[in-house]
Order: sequence, then C-alpha cells, then structure tokens
Amino acid sequence: LAKTTQPISMDSYEGQEVNITCSHNNIATNDYITWYQQFPSQGPRFIIQGYKTKVTNEVASLFIPADRKSSTLSLPRVSLSDTAVYYCLVGDKTGTYKYIFGTGTRLKVLA
Amino acid sequence: EPEVTQTPSHQVTQMGQEVILRCVPISNHLYFYWYRQILGQKVEFLVSFYNNEISEKSEIFDDQFSVERPDGSNFTLKIRSTKLEDSAMYFCASTTAPEGYTFGSGTRLTVV
Repeated sequence: LAKTTQPISMDSYEGQEVNITCSHNNIATNDYITWYQQFPSQGPRFIIQGYKTKVTNEVASLFIPADRKSSTLSLPRVSLSDTAVYYCLVGDKTGTYKYIFGTGTRLKVLA
Repeated sequence: EPEVTQTPSHQVTQMGQEVILRCVPISNHLYFYWYRQILGQKVEFLVSFYNNEISEKSEIFDDQFSVERPDGSNFTLKIRSTKLEDSAMYFCASTTAPEGYTFGSGTRLTVV
C-alpha cells in the first residue's frame, strides 16, 4: 500500500488560495489519488479524485505531476467553513480496496 | 445526492453489552466498509464486505466484531461484548468502483 505524507497542519486567511501537498513516493501504476475532507464528529467527505495531470471540480483542483509521486490539493478562496482535516488517500479502484487514512492536514482558516 | 445513512447517531451502552450499529448504503453500491475513529485519533479501517462476504478485515476486527447484510438494504456491525476501548465514532461507507467512497455521518458509541 502506498504511504502518504502530508503536513500536519496549516493556517490560512479567508479569501486566500490554499495548497496542500501530499507525497506518495511508492504509488502503484493502478493507484488513484483521492482527497477527503472531515469536519469534527462527521464522516469524511469526498472532495476530488485524479490519476494524472489536473482535475478540477466545483470545489477544488488536484494537480498531479508526471511522476505521480506527489499531488497538490488546491482550494480557491477559502472561507471559515473550510476549516477541517484534509486526507490524501492513494489506492486502486477495484472496490475491494481499503483506504488507509493517515493523520491528514488540519487546515485552520482565520478571519 | 444519495447518502449513506447510519443509525443511531449516538449509542450509550454498558461494558459487556452487545451493540448493533446500522447502516443503509447507497442503493446501487456493491462494496461496503466499516471504519472507526477514536476521539482525536485517525480514521481506522475495520472491515470490507462484498458479495455477501468479508473481503478484508483489520487486526482491530477480532472475534467480538461481526458484520451482516441481513436484507437488500441494511449493513450492520455487531460488537458482542463491548469494552471501554470500543468507544469511538463508527463510520459506514459504500462505493461502486471506480468511484470514491461515500461515508455516513457516523454513530458515536460510548461504552460506560
């Protein structure tokens, strides 16, 4: 299983763009990169998933370089409600795959 | 948007008692999971379930734990004899590959 490494915490101010980088040096060919968000006492919530290059949806962008050994979650113009823990997860898409959660990145958005 | 539903949201039980945590996965999903999160700690994998059988389980998922899909909609986690250290948030998740998981909002289990 690919091990991921993320910063433990980050602070940002409202309106700023936040980039959270995750390293996954031993990512396998079939692995996808998925980011989740978790608020206190709630289940993790899917944000975005990608395999390579760039993926964008209505809430975030995911940048994956050609070697796929890292990825960056970009949150444009964060607000106070984006304060949460963000998890980078790596795994294949066979369905029986289990995600292994790390400690994630605790993002605190300040007014 | 389809949701994974978990009941109850909070359960308090006495040590040694049996508890059943219930989950209704998204209807067309085929893969089901239970995770738990002890307060202040990371989310831990317990078990995955596919085609009416356990696909994989972690070391945490010992003989005190069992899962069942009693009908076409529910997916349950049973803890036979609860211990204080079983106190945690328990999350159910489901997916139909190749999408990411959808997690439920969790059941907070408090063992006293």
